[in-house]
Amino acid sequence: SQQGEEDPQALSIQEGENATMNCSYKTSINNLQWYRQNSGRGLVHLILIRSNEREKHSGRLRVTLDTSKKSSSLLITASRAADTASYFCATDGAGGFKTIFGAGTRLFVKA
Amino acid sequence: EADIYQTPRYLVIGTGKKITLECSQTMGHDKMYWYQQDPGMELHLIHYSYGVNSTEKGDLSSESTVSRIRTEHFPLTLESARPSHTSQYLCASSEGGGGNQPQHFGDGTRLSIL
Repeated sequence: SQQGEEDPQALSIQEGENATMNCSYKTSINNLQWYRQNSGRGLVHLILIRSNEREKHSGRLRVTLDTSKKSSSLLITASRAADTASYFCATDGAGGFKTIFGAGTRLFVKA
Repeated sequence: EADIYQTPRYLVIGTGKKITLECSQTMGHDKMYWYQQDPGMELHLIHYSYGVNSTEKGDLSSESTVSRIRTEHFPLTLESARPSHTSQYLCASSEGGGGNQPQHFGDGTRLSIL
């Protein structure tokens, strides 16, 4: 089964609203990453949070990590139509050399 | 934007043909990866490489093969394409060293086998 699983599977919001996506994983990690994928394109790395960090910010993105609950959340504030994409969390695989991606959350931001 | 390129972007081809999907990166990254992704679904690692002359199979069984003769080049070959190979194939690269480093992705090859 997948190391990382996102929730919800899909999210539809109005422009200007905040969007929150969650990721749960099963085993201990060294770090957790979030990626964005626009339709028909490759993934783009957004942010990496290490296991000893609890929160990280990058522009309108805020990521939290709770290693005791084995979960992370990605918050996009003041969303824009251009934020419409799929968002994936990714964690370490066995030995830390492989990255395991979840199934993603599809975000739709309506103008 | 990351400098990693995949060609072709789209390929429609008949069953039984030999196919090579190209992937090149100009960042000097040691690690490279091939993923298979059906539309709207998760990524499955099919091959990866730690560096020149290193290739490993990933988690998803695949009838494809890869080679890594040069740092910048990591082609994927299907000897005899089948309809079950229809999917999107994403190539990625990352810096070497331990742990899972951020990966840079190409825009993928969308493959359709008739």
